[in-house]
Formats: sequence, C-alpha cells, structure tokens
Amino acid sequence: GAVVSQHPSRVICKSGTSVKIECRSLDFQATTMFWYRQFPKQSLMLMATSNEGSKATYEQGVEKDKFLINHASLTLSTLTVTSAHPEDSSFYICSSTSGGARVNEQFFGPGTRLTVL
Amino acid sequence: ELKVEQNPLFLSMQEGKNYTIYCNYSTTSDRLYWYRQDPGKSLESLFVLLSNGAVKQEGRLMASLDTKARLSTLHITAAVHDLSATYFCAVDMDSNYQLIWGAGTKLIIKP
Repeated sequence: GAVVSQHPSRVICKSGTSVKIECRSLDFQATTMFWYRQFPKQSLMLMATSNEGSKATYEQGVEKDKFLINHASLTLSTLTVTSAHPEDSSFYICSSTSGGARVNEQFFGPGTRLTVL
Repeated sequence: ELKVEQNPLFLSMQEGKNYTIYCNYSTTSDRLYWYRQDPGKSLESLFVLLSNGAVKQEGRLMASLDTKARLSTLHITAAVHDLSATYFCAVDMDSNYQLIWGAGTKLIIKP
C-alpha cells in the first residue's frame, strides 16, 4: 500500500522559533499533498493543498506567510511554522493521493505533534 | 456548502453487541471514505465507497453508501475491544480530492 512518512513525529520548541515538518511519499509519486491540523478531540482541519512545482492553495483563515509550504519534488512536501506561538501547538498531519487504482483515496502520514512553549 | 454530519459523536458499548454509525452529507457526492484514528495516532483508511449502493466489509466492519439519501453507514458486528477508536467519515468536495470531514465518532467498547 501507499506509505507516507512524516518527520519529526514530535517537536517541542520555544515561542518565536520556526519549525519545519517534512512529509514524504515512500513508494509512490505524490502530485498532490494535503496538510491538516487537528486539535485535541476535534476533527481534521485542512490547512492547504500542495501541488508539486506550484504554490500551495491555502484554506480560508490560514496564514500563508506563517505556514510556509514547499512541494519541490514528487515525494517531498514541507510545512514550516514560522515564528511559532503556543496557539500553534497542534497535531499536524499530511496526506497524499497515490493515483492508480486507488486514485480517490488519501493516505496519511503518522502526524507531527508540535508543542510551542 | 458541503457539510458532513456524523452521529453519534460518542458511543460506549459492550463487546459482542452490534451498532451503526451514521454519516450524512448535504451535497451531491459519490465518493465517501471511512477512516479510523487511534489516540495519539494518525488516520488509517478503512473503506472507500465510490458509487451508489456500494457495500464493503472488512472483518467486523461493514460500510455502505446511499448517494440518493446522502447517507453512509458503518456497521459494527459483534464488537470487540480492539475496535475502540475514533471513526471519521469524509466526503469528496470535488475532483480535487479535497475531503470534507465529519466530526468523528469516538467508540469505546467495554470488555
């Protein structure tokens, strides 16, 4: 099956610093990747859709200058939380579609738990 | 605006019992997905339902889709403790593969 990895799985940082989260498709080429955030006991909230080689499409209310997304290759997308603040603490999850026979299905990375002190 | 509603949001049940989780959505769509999430973990794909009348089964879980009623069900048969998790349904908003998520159903199965 399609495998998506994320790194790091957990990060703690000081307020004002920037954090980069990597999302990799391990056994397929991911033309499109999605970035979500999830607060405790809540559903997923789509932050942005990332297409390889082009600018990400951000959802309403998501600051593109704060959450920088780069999708430079077909297997790697990165999310950088710039000047992080405690309210940015959340569970960040990436996903991708694999194409082929399972073209309509999203596969999720294991998630990154960000804690901003 | 496409909305997806799940119910119940919380379900506590005994092992061996049957139950159904419902997922209603507000706009025409023929692609619906069910995912499972364990505490502190990411999402695991359970079922992909791509047409009206689609029914899929895996072990004690069975999912169905009625696009005319805009309703999907996830049925649990003879529940076991290992099925305790939060279950999400999600609907394709358009061909861009963006998903609109239900709020999730937290399922607790007591031995």
